[in-house]
Amino acid sequence: IAGITQAPTSQILAAGRRMTLRCTQDMRHNAMYWYRQDLGLGLRLIHYSNTAGTTGKGEVPDGYSVSRANTDDFPLTLASAVPSQTSVYFCASSAHSLAGGGNEQFFGPGTRLTVL
Amino acid sequence: GQNIDQPTEMTATEGAIVQINCTYQTSGFNGLFWYQQHAGEAPTFLSYNVLDGLEEKGRFSSFLSRSKGYSYLLLKELQMKDSASYLCAVEDSNYQLIWGAGTKLIIKP
Repeated sequence: IAGITQAPTSQILAAGRRMTLRCTQDMRHNAMYWYRQDLGLGLRLIHYSNTAGTTGKGEVPDGYSVSRANTDDFPLTLASAVPSQTSVYFCASSAHSLAGGGNEQFFGPGTRLTVL
Repeated sequence: GQNIDQPTEMTATEGAIVQINCTYQTSGFNGLFWYQQHAGEAPTFLSYNVLDGLEEKGRFSSFLSRSKGYSYLLLKELQMKDSASYLCAVEDSNYQLIWGAGTKLIIKP
């Protein structure tokens, strides 16, 4: 593994189903993030984790949950998917969560999710 | 509220220079980032400014004026591969990135 991986690459899901998007990084970064990207809108933060064992809510957390059991993995779960959750989901990580030149965020390739 | 504004789309000619502007209003400021995103791909880091002035990195330069809440990304000697969206993001007082919607840059031969 090099960088950040996400799985699946794409998924079509029936409304009401539960879905977990996976994210794994091998850079030993402390901070990890989940964003959704919709046409005409900027990336919007769903949840974040500053370090293993802690999580926080971003701008649009409703309908999503996360866990951070270890440094490498940061799964995002949709408990009961709705059509408005159709989007491209990006996982990202950074060395730390504080300001500074080293806080560049590295992004995974994304998961394209369609909820019907 | 927090707001990042950048033009939706710009068109430029191969070999020319283009400037993409970004204005912001955020709760606090801990730096401004520019990312490049090709269609269907993930964003990748281009530049970071935390102090006023110009940062140059090869064909790309980024400028920041904190007093004006303004930044621009300058791309010189445009190449076809520069066709992409360019995302402006500000790190706010909570150390979270607030993202603009992005500027789609179209390069014509």
